[in-house]
Amino acid sequence: DTGVSQDPRHKITKRGQNVTFRCDPISEHNRLYWYRQTLGQGPEFLTYFQNEAQLEKSRLLSDRFSAERPKGSFSTLEIQRTEQGDSAMYLCASSLVEGGYTFGSGTRLTVV
Amino acid sequence: QKEVEQDPGPLSVPEGAIVSLNCTYSNSAFQYFMWYRQYSRKGPELLMYTYSSGNKEDGRFTAQVDKSSKYISLFIRDSQPSDSATYLCAMTASGTYKYIFGTGTRLKVLA
Repeated sequence: DTGVSQDPRHKITKRGQNVTFRCDPISEHNRLYWYRQTLGQGPEFLTYFQNEAQLEKSRLLSDRFSAERPKGSFSTLEIQRTEQGDSAMYLCASSLVEGGYTFGSGTRLTVV
Repeated sequence: QKEVEQDPGPLSVPEGAIVSLNCTYSNSAFQYFMWYRQYSRKGPELLMYTYSSGNKEDGRFTAQVDKSSKYISLFIRDSQPSDSATYLCAMTASGTYKYIFGTGTRLKVLA
């Protein structure tokens, strides 16, 4: 059990560029979640996968955001045409059953 | 009004003290509750997961849920400087996978 792995740890991008983050969950976990956290706030739910199916998606996930989990293994979160308001920590978590998430260390995005 | 309210702190206590951290919530459908510890610039680390009302103990940590008052607590006994972190509560209702997090309470344990 190597935990939830996220890559990259940090990303600085210019406004308008596209960025993609990767998450590798704990191997036996079939549930995967993406959250976003800004300074001084708790994590906010973005989306949830059970195996390869995206079962729930927050209204926070605008048309510029897309997430995939091909073959029910790793997941990617892409943000197109980044805006300064997208600057945040993007957290991935996985679980085997409802509750008891294990979070990764996050990808810190800075849009300049 | 937010669905989950948590005092942001900071809460400063001397080493060895018993710490009480609390969250209140408004949605009576919430049944699953979690407490996380988050160090600066790190991902949250799960401390406790509880279902419905009652108490749960794990080492120095005790989680309490009072659904009638819509109030949950985390107690830390014999607090250590290494416990200095932000503590987040999170909760959800049955049938949804979306946990709602509080804003977190910053705790400082002074040596």
